[in-house]
Amino acid sequence: GEDVEQSLFLSVREGDSSVINCTYTDSSSTYLYWYKQEPGAGLQLLTYIFSNMDMKQDQRLTVLLNKKDKHLSLRIADTQTGDSAIYFCAEARTGGFKTIFGAGTRLFVKA
Amino acid sequence: DTAVSQTPKYLVTQMGNDKSIKCEQNLGHDTMYWYKQDSKKFLKIMFSYNNKELIINETVPNRFSPKSPDKAHLNLHINSLELGDSAVYFCASSQEGGNEQFFGPGTRLTVL
Repeated sequence: GEDVEQSLFLSVREGDSSVINCTYTDSSSTYLYWYKQEPGAGLQLLTYIFSNMDMKQDQRLTVLLNKKDKHLSLRIADTQTGDSAIYFCAEARTGGFKTIFGAGTRLFVKA
Repeated sequence: DTAVSQTPKYLVTQMGNDKSIKCEQNLGHDTMYWYKQDSKKFLKIMFSYNNKELIINETVPNRFSPKSPDKAHLNLHINSLELGDSAVYFCASSQEGGNEQFFGPGTRLTVL
């Protein structure tokens, strides 16, 4: 993706934690998002974080934001086989009307 | 009950043809988007509309012409289709920019 970078693949065992990392370049972005895409479907918002926050927790999901390094991560605790999908990091620019997506991280969960 | 719907789901056509993809949202949102996802799953914004006004046109060829007859609809017309237009096209909507976007199921376009 344009200026939003993620590793393409991650493989974990069921029950382990998954950590998906992302870097972005536009320090003026006010919202940063994690979307999930399952095969043959559109994207669904998993969680988001405002740029003035360092951390957000939502059940099994923890988002960490390091604004100085422009680094965003998504941790999924107790990863399940149903978590296998593509995870997109995204930042909102231009008043939020232009969202730039990373290339997506393919998460494979082994039983 | 579908929030964002697109038709058709699949579209197979010959090079040079003109085709349209329709999108409708019943969420009462004022902002709609078109995205293109290629075979490697890269997702790129094409257009953003807010209250039927074009806000973002992300260097998309003139062959692509979006039309928003009302806030609930954003259709995409493509002229003179080329092989490189083959992709999955996603429509999305949100309440204003920067908020959660709700995506449609996608339209898989194959140009032969």
